[in-house]
Amino acid sequence: GAGVSQTPSNKVTEKGKYVELRCDPISGHTALYWYRQSLGQGPEFLIYFQGTGAADDSGLPNDRFFAVRPEGSVSTLKIQRTERGDSAVYLCASSLKGTGPDTQYFGPGTRLTVL
Amino acid sequence: EDKVVQSPLSLVVHEGDTVTLNCSYEVTNFRSLLWYKQEKKAPTFLFMLTSSGIEKKSGRLSSILDKKELFSILNITATQTGDSAVYLCAVEARGSNYKLTFGKGTLLTVNP
Repeated sequence: GAGVSQTPSNKVTEKGKYVELRCDPISGHTALYWYRQSLGQGPEFLIYFQGTGAADDSGLPNDRFFAVRPEGSVSTLKIQRTERGDSAVYLCASSLKGTGPDTQYFGPGTRLTVL
Repeated sequence: EDKVVQSPLSLVVHEGDTVTLNCSYEVTNFRSLLWYKQEKKAPTFLFMLTSSGIEKKSGRLSSILDKKELFSILNITATQTGDSAVYLCAVEARGSNYKLTFGKGTLLTVNP
């Protein structure tokens, strides 16, 4: 079956612009996670959805970052007034139910470059 | 704050060598430790470890967890150039909403 997919694979934008990054999880997975990975670092948690609701958004760095998952499947990460420091690879992961030891499967990521 | 430290940060070996990658952690209410392989962008799942002393094995890769000493190792025997990648270790804590805390990774380069 299809894995986690993310679009676009690369996004170049100018400082101050708005961007949207999309994640399509594995079919049937109720839990969805966003992570951000800077060069030379491991992924860092941003937000976790269980179904349609954001169960934990404690990793979002500030109020310029927002994510939605309106129908409990596809999720969109939205970044307003982008800054150069937002440049990173944004990874999405999904897991079957998000309860108990439950493997997270990652998508290929979106490489965001803010000029 | 949960913490994961991987060593070495990078490693260069020749094909056929055996390598051991290390991961130590500090986490409140440990639930599981996971290993991923990252070649381009997508981390690919390798192992999930929850119990001490039970080796998980998949082909030339194996991993074991020591919950008393708070570390895990990932072994790769008879390395191949296709094993070249960043190997990420992550921990999950109970009550953390299942989010993973990652180490910085070990960059493994296998030369022919």
